[in-house]
Amino acid sequence: DAGVIQSPRHEVTEMGQEVTLRCKPISGHNSLFWYRQTMMRGLELLIYFNNNVPIDDSGMPEDRFSAKMPNASFSTLKIQPSEPRDSAVYFCASSSGLDEAFFGQGTRLTVV
Amino acid sequence: AQSVAQPEDQVNVAEGNPLTVKCTYSVSGNPYLFWYVQYPNRGLQFLLKYITGDNLVKGSYGFEAEFNKSQTSFHLKKPSALVSDSALYFCAVRGLASGGSYIPTFGRGTSLIVHP
Repeated sequence: DAGVIQSPRHEVTEMGQEVTLRCKPISGHNSLFWYRQTMMRGLELLIYFNNNVPIDDSGMPEDRFSAKMPNASFSTLKIQPSEPRDSAVYFCASSSGLDEAFFGQGTRLTVV
Repeated sequence: AQSVAQPEDQVNVAEGNPLTVKCTYSVSGNPYLFWYVQYPNRGLQFLLKYITGDNLVKGSYGFEAEFNKSQTSFHLKKPSALVSDSALYFCAVRGLASGGSYIPTFGRGTSLIVHP
């Protein structure tokens, strides 16, 4: 397996624009996580899906953020409209049951 | 609520010396404990885990960790540090969270610097 695949690797966008981050989890994994990493706040869990169903989205900062998982092999995280304070590295991770999570390479988002 | 504490932002050690990166946790029920490493501009990579069994767990790259239930700790150790071990290390716990789900909680990370 190629591991967790995220795209794009880098995204630079202007404030107010819509941003969509994509994730393909490892085949067979039933849990998917979106994390955000910044120097100030460390690694924050944004949302957790189990069997494609959102289980906990309490970490989603505000209504500008939304996430979907239409099937077991694809998830998106959307920010609309984007703001400079959204600049961070966004990670997608997947796991099987309660096993260790496998992380993607991340998307470095810069909002100017 | 479950939590993970990594009390040191940075650990400095000379190459060849033993290293320890500390982690304590708080969780309801039996914990699932993990260590991950992150190199610059990369995602987190799994190092080792404790689910049950022996308190001393061995993982990748010569790392090991000791689970101590009474002290609620899961410190990461290596007998002889390498310069290439320099990276950011994260401890994580996965226990029964509110709502009945098992969400992993990560510590803030500890930067390990190994000096030649």
